[in-house]
Amino acid sequence: GNSVTQMEGPVTLSEEAFLTINCTYTATGYPSLFWYVQYPGEGLQLLLKATKADDKGSNKGFEATYRKETTSFHLEKGSVQVSDSAVYFCALSSNTGGFKTIFGAGTRLFVKA
Amino acid sequence: DGGITQSPKYLFRKEGQNVTLSCEQNLNHDAMYWYRQDPGQGLRLIYYSQIVNDFQKGDIAEGYSVSREKKESFPLTVTSAQKNPTAFYLCASSMATGTDYGYTFGSGTRLTVV
Repeated sequence: GNSVTQMEGPVTLSEEAFLTINCTYTATGYPSLFWYVQYPGEGLQLLLKATKADDKGSNKGFEATYRKETTSFHLEKGSVQVSDSAVYFCALSSNTGGFKTIFGAGTRLFVKA
Repeated sequence: DGGITQSPKYLFRKEGQNVTLSCEQNLNHDAMYWYRQDPGQGLRLIYYSQIVNDFQKGDIAEGYSVSREKKESFPLTVTSAQKNPTAFYLCASSMATGTDYGYTFGSGTRLTVV
C-alpha cells in the first residue's frame, strides 16, 4: 500500500541555519505530495504541495521538489527562524488510495536563538 | 473569513459515556475528514465523507460514529466502545475528492477520559 517515511526528530538548529527534512514515499499511480506544519496546540496548516514529477512547491521560504526517480519530497529552507519551530508532516494523496491523504509520522523542529 | 471550527477545544469524558465533537466548515467544501493524533505519532483516519448523507470508515473506525446531514457539518461521536479515547482529534475538509486538493484543518479537540 501507499506509505510516507520521514526522518525522525527532533531536529535542533540554530537561527539562520539551513534546514532539510527528508521525506520518501511509496505509492502506485501518480500521487500528489504535500508538506503540512503544526504549531503547538493547533491543527495542521498546508505549507506547500507538488502535483507532478519535477514540480517545486514553495511557500514562506520553504521549498520541496517532487523527485519521482528517488521517490522523495525533501523539505528545505535556507535560513530558519525561531518562529519556524513546529512539527512538519509530509503527506501524499493518490488516486489508487481512494484519494485519501496519508501522513508521515511528523518531524519536530526546534530552532534556538 | 472561511475556515473550520471545532468545538469544544477541551473535553473530558467519564468512563462509559458517549461524547460528540463538533466540526463546522464555511468553505463550501464537499469532503470532510476526522483524524486522531496521539503524542509523537502521525494522523490516523477515523471516518471521511465525500458528499452529504454518505461517509466511509477509515483505518480506525471502531468505537466511533459520524453523520453528514448537512454539507457544513460532520460531527464525530466517541462511544463507550472506544477503549482508549484520550487523544487529540482533528477535523479537516477539502474542496473535492481528488489528489490535488490539500486539506484545511480545524484547531482540534483534546479529549481526556477521567
